[in-house]
Amino acid sequence: GNSVTQMEGPVTLSEEAFLTINCTYTATGYPSLFWYVQYPGEGLQLLLKATKADDKGSNKGFEATYRKETTSFHLEKGSVQVSDSAVYFCALRHPRGTSYDKVIFGPGTSLSVIP
Amino acid sequence: DTGVSQNPRHKITKRGQNVTFRCDPISEHNRLYWYRQTLGQGPEFLTYFQNEAQLEKSRLLSDRFSAERPKGSFSTLEIQRTEQGDSAMYLCASSSTRTGPYSPLHFGNGTRLTVT
Repeated sequence: GNSVTQMEGPVTLSEEAFLTINCTYTATGYPSLFWYVQYPGEGLQLLLKATKADDKGSNKGFEATYRKETTSFHLEKGSVQVSDSAVYFCALRHPRGTSYDKVIFGPGTSLSVIP
Repeated sequence: DTGVSQNPRHKITKRGQNVTFRCDPISEHNRLYWYRQTLGQGPEFLTYFQNEAQLEKSRLLSDRFSAERPKGSFSTLEIQRTEQGDSAMYLCASSSTRTGPYSPLHFGNGTRLTVT
């Protein structure tokens, strides 16, 4: 079945450090891929998405490229800020018509950025 | 657009009691999803609706769980005879198929259930 694997956390970085959170997936066909973020005390919100191979999603300085050959969608940011402290979830969605459409989430990676 | 609203925010109940949660999706969204999230884990899919039709249920959803969306707007999730293992955050999300097959899910802040 479809699944998502993420690097284990927690990850602790100093402000302005480079961030990579690894994500790999298992799916048949061509899913769309997402990163969601959950800030403390808030609901999950979409950070970025990519719908086909080689697409790059980007938002708020974060980027992720859909790599079909390695079934990966790693999240990167060149310079993290304290406000980026949150839990990050990699997810896939595999719509097939209207009878099968759900988003499958990875376990999440907690990021703490210290000043 | 006031976002996805879930009530109550917190629910504490004794084992064996029934509980019901409500979700009000974004008004123009025709799809509504229920997920469960436990500490340190990602959200687990429970079920989803397109309009009033329940299109898929996870095998995680035992017979004690039932969800409805009677008029294709708000939805309720009921858990009968609660067990301590039901303690979790229950998340609702909605999306619209009118903006394409990859439209994002918009999540509510969840209902935290504690079964004592």
